[in-house]
Amino acid sequence: KAGVTQTPRYLIKTRGQQVTLSCSPISGHRSVSWYQQTPGQGLQFLFEYFSETQRNKGNFPGRFSGRQFSNSRSEMNVSTLELGDSALYLCASSLELTGVGTEAFFGQGTRLTVV
Amino acid sequence: AQTVTQSQPEMSVQEAETVTLSCTYDTSENNYYLFWYKQPPSRQMILVIRQEAYKQQNATENRFSVNFQKAAKSFSLKISDSQLGDTAMYFCAFMKKEYGNKLVFGAGTILRVKS
Repeated sequence: KAGVTQTPRYLIKTRGQQVTLSCSPISGHRSVSWYQQTPGQGLQFLFEYFSETQRNKGNFPGRFSGRQFSNSRSEMNVSTLELGDSALYLCASSLELTGVGTEAFFGQGTRLTVV
Repeated sequence: AQTVTQSQPEMSVQEAETVTLSCTYDTSENNYYLFWYKQPPSRQMILVIRQEAYKQQNATENRFSVNFQKAAKSFSLKISDSQLGDTAMYFCAFMKKEYGNKLVFGAGTILRVKS
């Protein structure tokens, strides 16, 4: 079974631009969560999607948005990029939404550098 | 809001020896899950072990075991017979047992296994 696939693996963008990151969950998994990892702030939850609807949201500005498609693939978009958005963005997929101790499987991340 | 604290930024251990990583958390919830994740230099976040709060028995996975003290809100990870491949950043994480799979992570502990 294929794991969680994130594309691209690396990305360099200029301040003010926008970027879209993609995540394909494990086949059969319906929940996709996004996390931002930085040396200063650590791992922070961005949002979670299930059945094409955002179910949970972290404390990030509106420049950060996402969506989920009918095949459970998810995209994350960051508009008007700032230098502080440079980070590793991790996607995690889970089988279901409700808390049955579902394991979150992570992708290898997208390393975004804003210059 | 839940918080997770890992008080050891870095630790070292000799190959074949035992090491314990500390984690404390703060929550008013009664039903929740606790996790230890490992992030090697490849950046792939891998689940090491999971504990359900309502279970008194400590979880074990081969060389990995936890000491879960619910009243003290403590969740330490013991790695026995340490191997070079255990070198990684280890994150303690909390998840409420309810709607959603949002993980709250600690700051992480870098573990170096020396030969």
